[in-house]
Amino acid sequence: KAGVTQTPRYLIKTRGQQVTLSCSPISGHRSVSWYQQTPGQGLQFLFEYFSETQRNKGNFPGRFSGRQFSNSRSEMNVSTLELGDSALYLCASSLMIAADTQYFGPGTRLTVL
Amino acid sequence: AQKVTQAQTEISVVEKEDVTLDCVYETRDTTYYLFWYKQPPSGELVFLIRRNSFDEQNEISGRYSWNFQKSTSSFNFTITASQVVDSAVYFCALSEAKKAGNMLTFGGGTRLMVKP
Repeated sequence: KAGVTQTPRYLIKTRGQQVTLSCSPISGHRSVSWYQQTPGQGLQFLFEYFSETQRNKGNFPGRFSGRQFSNSRSEMNVSTLELGDSALYLCASSLMIAADTQYFGPGTRLTVL
Repeated sequence: AQKVTQAQTEISVVEKEDVTLDCVYETRDTTYYLFWYKQPPSGELVFLIRRNSFDEQNEISGRYSWNFQKSTSSFNFTITASQVVDSAVYFCALSEAKKAGNMLTFGGGTRLMVKP
Protein backbone atom coordinates (compact mmCIF):
# COMPACT_ATOMS: atom_id res chain seq x y z
CA LYS A 1 0.00 0.00 0.00
CA ALA A 2 1.40 3.39 -0.94
CA GLY A 3 2.22 5.73 1.93
CA VAL A 4 1.23 9.32 2.48
CA THR A 5 2.41 11.54 -0.32
CA GLN A 6 2.98 15.27 -0.22
CA THR A 7 3.59 17.74 -3.00
CA PRO A 8 5.65 19.68 -3.60
CA ARG A 9 8.60 18.46 -1.56
CA TYR A 10 10.39 21.81 -1.63
CA LEU A 11 9.09 25.30 -2.09
CA ILE A 12 10.62 28.76 -2.01
CA LYS A 13 8.38 31.79 -1.67
CA THR A 14 8.78 35.43 -0.76
CA ARG A 15 7.11 37.34 2.04
CA GLY A 16 3.55 38.32 1.33
CA GLN A 17 2.89 35.52 -1.14
CA GLN A 18 0.56 32.65 -0.51
CA VAL A 19 1.20 28.94 -0.83
CA THR A 20 -0.85 25.76 -1.17
CA LEU A 21 0.48 22.38 -0.06
CA SER A 22 -1.09 19.08 -1.00
CA CYS A 23 -1.40 15.75 0.80
CA SER A 24 -2.72 12.40 -0.39
CA PRO A 25 -3.42 9.99 2.48
CA ILE A 26 -2.91 6.26 2.56
CA SER A 27 -5.65 4.58 0.55
CA GLY A 28 -8.73 4.08 2.73
CA HIS A 29 -7.65 6.59 5.38
CA ARG A 30 -10.18 9.34 5.94
CA SER A 31 -8.45 11.39 8.63
CA VAL A 32 -5.74 13.83 7.61
CA SER A 33 -3.74 16.02 9.98
CA TRP A 34 -1.17 18.72 9.36
CA TYR A 35 1.82 19.64 11.52
CA GLN A 36 4.43 22.37 11.33
CA GLN A 37 8.00 21.58 12.37
CA THR A 38 10.51 24.33 13.12
CA PRO A 39 13.80 24.27 15.04
CA GLY A 40 12.45 26.73 17.59
CA GLN A 41 8.92 25.44 18.21
CA GLY A 42 9.31 21.78 17.35
CA LEU A 43 6.36 19.82 16.02
CA GLN A 44 3.08 21.67 16.34
CA PHE A 45 -0.40 20.57 15.35
CA LEU A 46 -2.12 22.72 12.74
CA PHE A 47 -5.46 21.05 12.02
CA GLU A 48 -7.19 17.77 11.34
CA TYR A 49 -9.90 16.80 8.88
CA PHE A 50 -12.19 13.82 8.72
CA SER A 51 -14.76 13.33 5.97
CA GLU A 52 -14.23 16.88 4.74
CA THR A 53 -14.92 18.38 8.19
CA GLN A 54 -12.33 20.10 10.34
CA ARG A 55 -12.21 18.23 13.64
CA ASN A 56 -9.46 20.06 15.49
CA LYS A 57 -7.47 23.20 15.04
CA GLY A 58 -4.19 24.17 16.64
CA ASN A 59 -3.12 27.56 17.86
CA PHE A 60 -2.19 29.19 14.57
CA PRO A 61 -3.37 32.44 13.02
CA GLY A 62 -6.15 32.56 10.48
CA ARG A 63 -3.58 32.83 7.68
CA PHE A 64 -3.30 29.07 7.97
CA SER A 65 -6.25 27.21 6.52
CA GLY A 66 -7.01 23.82 5.11
CA ARG A 67 -9.59 21.69 3.46
CA GLN A 68 -10.29 18.11 2.61
CA PHE A 69 -11.87 16.75 -0.53
CA SER A 70 -14.32 13.90 -0.95
CA ASN A 71 -11.47 11.57 -1.94
CA SER A 72 -9.76 12.40 1.41
CA ARG A 73 -6.97 14.34 -0.22
CA SER A 74 -6.17 17.50 1.70
CA GLU A 75 -4.66 20.87 1.03
CA MET A 76 -3.38 23.51 3.36
CA ASN A 77 -2.98 27.14 2.46
CA VAL A 78 -0.88 29.85 4.03
CA SER A 79 -1.64 33.39 2.97
CA THR A 80 0.51 36.49 3.39
CA LEU A 81 3.64 34.49 4.12
CA GLU A 82 6.01 35.62 6.83
CA LEU A 83 9.64 34.67 7.36
CA GLY A 84 8.61 32.67 10.42
CA ASP A 85 6.47 30.40 8.28
CA SER A 86 9.62 28.74 6.97
CA ALA A 87 9.26 25.17 8.19
CA LEU A 88 8.78 21.54 7.34
CA TYR A 89 5.06 20.89 6.92
CA LEU A 90 4.09 17.32 7.64
CA CYS A 91 0.88 15.61 6.72
CA ALA A 92 -0.35 12.47 8.48
CA SER A 93 -3.25 10.15 7.84
CA SER A 94 -5.24 7.76 10.00
CA LEU A 95 -7.88 5.18 9.32
CA MET A 96 -10.17 5.96 12.23
CA ILE A 97 -11.78 9.19 13.31
CA ALA A 98 -10.00 9.22 16.69
CA ALA A 99 -7.48 7.48 18.94
CA ASP A 100 -5.69 6.02 15.97
CA THR A 101 -2.09 5.85 14.81
CA GLN A 102 -1.02 8.58 12.43
CA TYR A 103 1.25 7.77 9.51
CA PHE A 104 3.31 10.63 8.17
CA GLY A 105 4.34 11.74 4.72
CA PRO A 106 7.82 13.00 3.76
CA GLY A 107 6.85 16.63 4.29
CA THR A 108 7.06 19.83 2.31
CA ARG A 109 9.95 22.09 3.15
CA LEU A 110 8.85 25.70 2.74
CA THR A 111 11.39 28.49 2.69
CA VAL A 112 10.15 32.08 2.87
CA LEU A 113 12.61 34.74 1.72
CA ALA B 1 -3.13 20.70 29.41
CA GLN B 2 -1.18 17.83 27.95
CA LYS B 3 2.57 17.98 27.75
CA VAL B 4 5.42 15.70 26.70
CA THR B 5 8.97 16.23 27.89
CA GLN B 6 12.08 14.66 26.43
CA ALA B 7 14.83 15.99 28.65
CA GLN B 8 17.68 14.58 26.56
CA THR B 9 18.13 16.82 23.54
CA GLU B 10 21.12 14.93 22.18
CA ILE B 11 22.77 11.60 22.93
CA SER B 12 25.95 10.25 21.40
CA VAL B 13 26.95 6.61 21.71
CA VAL B 14 29.36 4.22 20.10
CA GLU B 15 27.96 1.39 18.02
CA LYS B 16 26.84 -1.66 20.03
CA GLU B 17 26.18 0.36 23.14
CA ASP B 18 22.70 0.26 24.67
CA VAL B 19 20.88 3.57 24.90
CA THR B 20 17.67 4.67 26.63
CA LEU B 21 15.61 7.64 25.51
CA ASP B 22 13.46 9.18 28.23
CA CYS B 23 9.91 10.47 27.87
CA VAL B 24 7.74 11.99 30.58
CA TYR B 25 4.17 13.05 29.90
CA GLU B 26 1.42 15.03 31.60
CA THR B 27 -2.28 14.57 31.05
CA ARG B 28 -5.49 14.83 33.04
CA ASP B 29 -7.20 12.30 30.84
CA THR B 30 -7.54 8.75 32.13
CA THR B 31 -7.55 7.31 28.62
CA TYR B 32 -4.68 8.29 26.41
CA TYR B 33 -2.23 6.91 23.89
CA LEU B 34 1.54 7.18 23.76
CA PHE B 35 3.68 6.91 20.66
CA TRP B 36 7.29 6.88 19.57
CA TYR B 37 8.33 8.10 16.13
CA LYS B 38 11.72 8.13 14.44
CA GLN B 39 12.77 10.95 12.11
CA PRO B 40 15.80 10.13 9.95
CA PRO B 41 17.59 12.90 8.04
CA SER B 42 15.12 12.47 5.16
CA GLY B 43 12.50 14.13 7.38
CA GLU B 44 9.67 11.63 7.35
CA LEU B 45 8.33 10.59 10.74
CA VAL B 46 8.35 6.80 11.00
CA PHE B 47 5.92 5.18 13.44
CA LEU B 48 7.57 2.83 15.93
CA ILE B 49 5.06 1.97 18.64
CA ARG B 50 1.71 2.90 20.17
CA ARG B 51 0.65 2.10 23.72
CA ASN B 52 -2.68 2.85 25.39
CA SER B 53 -2.99 3.95 28.99
CA PHE B 54 -4.56 0.67 30.10
CA ASP B 55 -1.71 -1.48 28.87
CA GLU B 56 1.38 -1.21 31.02
CA GLN B 57 3.04 -4.28 29.60
CA ASN B 58 6.53 -3.62 28.42
CA GLU B 59 7.20 -4.48 24.83
CA ILE B 60 10.20 -5.79 22.98
CA SER B 61 10.61 -5.75 19.23
CA GLY B 62 13.98 -6.93 18.06
CA ARG B 63 16.58 -4.51 19.41
CA TYR B 64 13.87 -2.07 20.56
CA SER B 65 12.07 -2.18 23.90
CA TRP B 66 9.66 0.17 25.64
CA ASN B 67 9.02 0.63 29.35
CA PHE B 68 5.68 2.25 30.22
CA GLN B 69 5.16 3.24 33.87
CA LYS B 70 1.97 5.11 34.74
CA SER B 71 3.17 5.68 38.30
CA THR B 72 5.94 7.92 37.03
CA SER B 73 4.18 9.05 33.83
CA SER B 74 7.06 7.77 31.77
CA PHE B 75 7.34 5.88 28.51
CA ASN B 76 11.01 5.18 27.90
CA PHE B 77 12.56 3.64 24.81
CA THR B 78 15.67 1.47 24.82
CA ILE B 79 17.77 0.45 21.83
CA THR B 80 19.98 -2.53 22.52
CA ALA B 81 23.26 -2.93 20.65
CA SER B 82 22.82 0.34 18.76
CA GLN B 83 23.77 0.60 15.10
CA VAL B 84 24.77 3.54 12.93
CA VAL B 85 21.41 3.24 11.13
CA ASP B 86 19.68 4.09 14.41
CA SER B 87 21.01 7.64 14.14
CA ALA B 88 17.95 9.88 13.95
CA VAL B 89 15.75 12.17 15.99
CA TYR B 90 13.26 10.29 18.13
CA PHE B 91 9.97 11.79 19.22
CA CYS B 92 7.61 10.74 21.97
CA ALA B 93 3.99 11.84 21.51
CA LEU B 94 0.68 11.81 23.38
CA SER B 95 -2.91 11.63 22.17
CA GLU B 96 -5.80 12.14 24.55
CA ALA B 97 -9.04 10.22 24.09
CA LYS B 98 -11.31 13.01 25.28
CA LYS B 99 -10.11 15.30 22.53
CA ALA B 100 -11.88 14.60 19.28
CA GLY B 101 -9.58 13.29 16.62
CA ASN B 102 -6.06 12.01 16.48
CA MET B 103 -4.16 15.13 17.45
CA LEU B 104 -0.66 14.42 18.73
CA THR B 105 1.29 16.47 21.24
CA PHE B 106 4.99 15.90 20.67
CA GLY B 107 8.00 16.16 22.91
CA GLY B 108 10.96 18.19 21.75
CA GLY B 109 12.76 15.14 20.41
CA THR B 110 16.07 13.46 21.22
CA ARG B 111 18.79 13.42 18.60
CA LEU B 112 20.64 10.13 18.74
CA MET B 113 24.04 9.85 17.12
CA VAL B 114 25.56 6.39 16.87
CA LYS B 115 29.22 6.46 15.94
CA PRO B 116 30.97 3.51 14.34
